[in-house]
Amino acid sequence: SQTIHQWPATLVQPVGSPLSLECTVEGTSNPNLYWYRQAAGRGLQLLFYSVGIGQISSEVPQNLSASRPQDRQFILSSKKLLLSDSGFYLCALSQPPVYGYTFGSGTRLTVV
Amino acid sequence: DQQVKQNSPSLSVQEGRISILNCDYTNSMFDYFLWYKKYPAEGPTFLISISSIKDKNEDGRFTVFLNKSAKHLSLHIVPSQPGDSAVYFCAASEWVNTGNQFYFGTGTSLTVIP
Repeated sequence: SQTIHQWPATLVQPVGSPLSLECTVEGTSNPNLYWYRQAAGRGLQLLFYSVGIGQISSEVPQNLSASRPQDRQFILSSKKLLLSDSGFYLCALSQPPVYGYTFGSGTRLTVV
Repeated sequence: DQQVKQNSPSLSVQEGRISILNCDYTNSMFDYFLWYKKYPAEGPTFLISISSIKDKNEDGRFTVFLNKSAKHLSLHIVPSQPGDSAVYFCAASEWVNTGNQFYFGTGTSLTVIP
């Protein structure tokens, strides 16, 4: 079965520091991969999605970036964190034509 | 702009009674709807779904109803159990040129009181 490993579970970082969140996938190949953020009082906001190695699409302008160096690895990065980057970040995969997502366990990021 | 809305941030229900979670959407192109359940410190897990060509889908204690004319979706849990206490997300999808695009509501926190 498909599983997603996402780490770390919690992270406290100072403003201006860099960020790297990693997501790895098992049990499937060539999935669509996504980074979502759940900010307080808002739904899950799509940040990036990838349909293959090196293929990244961004949904919102921000100081975050994503990379997919391998088929089953998806990385969310920032060079300089802002306070507004605080939130709950979820990695997810989908395997068309099957509907729905499999989610990772999430990372709670607090920027101080 | 939120295309999927869950206007009730929280809901409390007595054990054994019915829980009804509601969801409204604005995009008539959505063709598939899903409910996810999320426990603290975990990612959401898929619960139940419904295609836009149906108006009801049932799976054990969980039933999803779709009213396309009202652009309204609801999840019924009968009977409610304390283990159902979690945050429930409504999601809708539409087909775009790169595949299915999903939109999520803000979630409703359900508390089932023993």
